[in-house]
Amino acid sequence: AQSVAQPEDQVNVAEGNPLTVKCTYSVSGNPYLFWYVQYPNRGLQFLLKYITGDNLVKGSYGFEAEFNKSQTSFHLKKPSALVSDSALYFCAVRPSYGGATNKLIFGTGTLLAVQP
Amino acid sequence: DGGITQSPKYLFRKEGQNVTLSCEQNLNHDAMYWYRQDPGQGLRLIYYSQIVNDFQKGDIAEGYSVSREKKESFPLTVTSAQKNPTAFYLCASSMGRESPYNEQFFGPGTRLTVL
Repeated sequence: AQSVAQPEDQVNVAEGNPLTVKCTYSVSGNPYLFWYVQYPNRGLQFLLKYITGDNLVKGSYGFEAEFNKSQTSFHLKKPSALVSDSALYFCAVRPSYGGATNKLIFGTGTLLAVQP
Repeated sequence: DGGITQSPKYLFRKEGQNVTLSCEQNLNHDAMYWYRQDPGQGLRLIYYSQIVNDFQKGDIAEGYSVSREKKESFPLTVTSAQKNPTAFYLCASSMGRESPYNEQFFGPGTRLTVL
């Protein structure tokens, strides 16, 4: 079965420290990978995506993610966390030959808490 | 939240009532989606539509219905058959099947509470 795993329900980090939010996937074929962020009682906002090419993808608000095919991972990173980065983060995947749909498979989300 | 609007923001329903959640987009997207979000479960797909006048069931379609009469509109009806409808509902849209690598854009959500 195709799936996305975010193994940490919550990640705590001090402001100014680097942060990593983990994501692993299991899909057939080559995946398209996405990261979204959600602030309380709001919709999801797109951060970045990996389609092909360079394994390091840069996105909004200083976030980046590294695609690792051998480990089937797509971890979200930021060199220096801000208190305003505190939010719920979702990883999502779409198989590259997902048929006639653009359906995404979402992980369960990781709550990032940045302490001042 | 891009060019997608959802209304109302909060909705209260009595048991046994049907309610309809509105979703409108001005992004000229072909595809639209409805998700349900519950704490600790991420997003689960209810229905999706790739084109006007066509839609398919997602993973948890029971107790829900949709229509897609116009490209910009994709309303969701939560029927009395849905046993546990209290949740946060998110609508999204994206370019069509010819652009599978394009991201989905999300609306601000509707929080439905059953009294």
